[in-house]
Amino acid sequence: KQEVTQIPAALSVPEGENLVLNCSFTDSAIYNLQWFRQDPGKGLTSLLLIQSSQREQTSGRLNASLDKSSGRSTLYIAASQPGDSATYLCAANTNAGKSTFGDGTTLTVKP
Amino acid sequence: SAVISQKPSRDICQRGTSLTIQCQVDSQVTMMFWYRQQPGQSLTLIATANQGSEATYESGFVIDKFPISRPNLTFSTLTVSNMSPEDSSIYLCSVPEGANEQFFGPGTRLTVL
Repeated sequence: KQEVTQIPAALSVPEGENLVLNCSFTDSAIYNLQWFRQDPGKGLTSLLLIQSSQREQTSGRLNASLDKSSGRSTLYIAASQPGDSATYLCAANTNAGKSTFGDGTTLTVKP
Repeated sequence: SAVISQKPSRDICQRGTSLTIQCQVDSQVTMMFWYRQQPGQSLTLIATANQGSEATYESGFVIDKFPISRPNLTFSTLTVSNMSPEDSSIYLCSVPEGANEQFFGPGTRLTVL
């Protein structure tokens, strides 16, 4: 059974800092890995999708990497802003479309 | 990406009653999923809503408690039956697109008193 772990559970940084969020998964037989953002009381917004054959994906200030063999992914956020404050979730997806989620990292960026 | 809507966006219900949540997608999709997010926790898959057949439930979830309908390729409902305070959660539907990228509806926030 797939298990996904995210570290740290919470992170508080001053505005402008670069930061890294970590995600690990126990079963390397994933189809892809996806990073989401969730604002309090809201649904999920997809940030980046990395296919199992890929090493990284970039979107603006976000860069996600995937090391499938070691069961790890990282989300790098450059030059953080207060608007980046949210909970970030990673999900390991199967080819059947099912997702196993980590517990998330709650990020606070202080002005 | 598909546009996914859910109704209601939130509700407060009494113990022992049932609530039906609707999920509408603006395009035909083969697969739809229902997730639960309990307070302070991550998302857990409840079931896969299959068009034209019974839903497929994950371990720990049963049809009597969470009956699901999928009458066509754009619509699904999830009913939370005989509710208790432990059912207070956000319920989300999702659809995969393209290379199995998951997209989620805005969620239904349920509070059971």
